[in-house]
Amino acid sequence: DIQMTQSPSSLSASVGDRVTITCRASQGISNYLAWFQQKPGKAPKSLIYAASSLQSGVPSKFSGSGSGTDFTLTISSLQPEDFATYYCQQYNSYPLAFGQGTKVEIK
Amino acid sequence: QITLKESGPTLVKPTQTLTLTCTFSGFSLSTSGVGVGWIRQPPGKALEWLALIYWNDDKRYSPSLKSRLTITKDTSKNQVVLTMTNMDPVDTATYYCARTLDTAMDNYGMDVWGQGTTVTVSS
Repeated sequence: DIQMTQSPSSLSASVGDRVTITCRASQGISNYLAWFQQKPGKAPKSLIYAASSLQSGVPSKFSGSGSGTDFTLTISSLQPEDFATYYCQQYNSYPLAFGQGTKVEIK
Repeated sequence: QITLKESGPTLVKPTQTLTLTCTFSGFSLSTSGVGVGWIRQPPGKALEWLALIYWNDDKRYSPSLKSRLTITKDTSKNQVVLTMTNMDPVDTATYYCARTLDTAMDNYGMDVWGQGTTVTVSS
């Protein structure tokens, strides 16, 4: 089974900061990598698929990169509505797997 | 507009069987490349994938839960049903369903999610 490891587990940042979250797969997954945003008490929302493609309606301040085993999610200028937990997920092979999450908090 | 909504009991007793229904609209589970999956999230913990069913009735399960899970679809009703047997307090979680979309153009993954339903396992 493929394991997904995110870093950091949490971070504190200020409005306007550029934030980068890393996700590493235990084996190569090509570009079958998705990123999700989850706010407290809400369902996850898909932000990025295929490692770097934005889902419809997702603002361009979110970007993704990577291929193989190492991936990143970047938020170019953090806004109050971006404080949330972010998850990566591989869908290259079964069982599908999520990272443990990265909580982005206000500094 | 694509929507999914989970329904089922909020409380089940240990050893009982849980049956959850995902009712969706805005797409068809008879369309090539479409699937519906189930994911759960224990309180304060990460997301865990459970099962997935595709338009062609291909079914996939989490190996750690495979013996306890069954996923089925009713295309005419736009519903996907997940059953989980022998429920335990550790199965207490919010359960989500989500659409997956894999087209000739791209594989969009789990692009639309339901709001989730909370299930507590307690005697």
